[in-house]
Amino acid sequence: DTGVSQDPRHKITKRGQNVTFRCDPISEHNRLYWYRQTLGQGPEFLTYFQNEAQLEKSRLLSDRFSAERPKGSFSTLEIQRTEQGDSAMYLCASSRPGTKTYEQYFGPGTRLTVT
Amino acid sequence: RKEVEQDPGPFNVPEGATVAFNCTYSNSASQSFFWYRQDCRKEPKLLMSVYSSGNEDGRFTAQLNRASQYISLLIRDSKLSDSATYLCVVGSGGYNKLIFGAGTRLAVHP
Repeated sequence: DTGVSQDPRHKITKRGQNVTFRCDPISEHNRLYWYRQTLGQGPEFLTYFQNEAQLEKSRLLSDRFSAERPKGSFSTLEIQRTEQGDSAMYLCASSRPGTKTYEQYFGPGTRLTVT
Repeated sequence: RKEVEQDPGPFNVPEGATVAFNCTYSNSASQSFFWYRQDCRKEPKLLMSVYSSGNEDGRFTAQLNRASQYISLLIRDSKLSDSATYLCVVGSGGYNKLIFGAGTRLAVHP
């Protein structure tokens, strides 16, 4: 399968703990996005990478959040000192350059529950 | 005001019905437009891109009116398998970050 993959699919953690999620985009896609989705809402943009460069960050991404894409392939999203409000589905998407509309394809998401 | 607004529904329709979803967006500089479908507790899946000239894919027809900043999706001959949440999505900025509506829920019943 050549789709976007994310790991883990589910994560339950206690408030105050750190968590890290991984995203592997489709292999020829150089653009990678992170979104967050809470119940009853559409996904909200968090950050964007083009190759290894992080080019945009939403103001939703507080200082407790950090994302990396060290070699321009997979990406990680870390949340430090988790809070109950961080409970959400974290979605990764990728797209390839040169397409007219930059269609983005999503991974299955990581569902985070902070207790 | 939200950047992308949709009627949340739910729309409850019988099989075979035609159903239309509407969406408005606030950023006139938006550059790309999409409909995504999301099943319960799954990731959004691209249904179709939306072009100014309008486009059709089987039973699905999408329209874009840039002047009114309005996007629509028409589903003909609804199937049970069409039951899902339909997300209106607008891409903007140099990096085409996607701005999602909250989604319209469709339930097709026998």
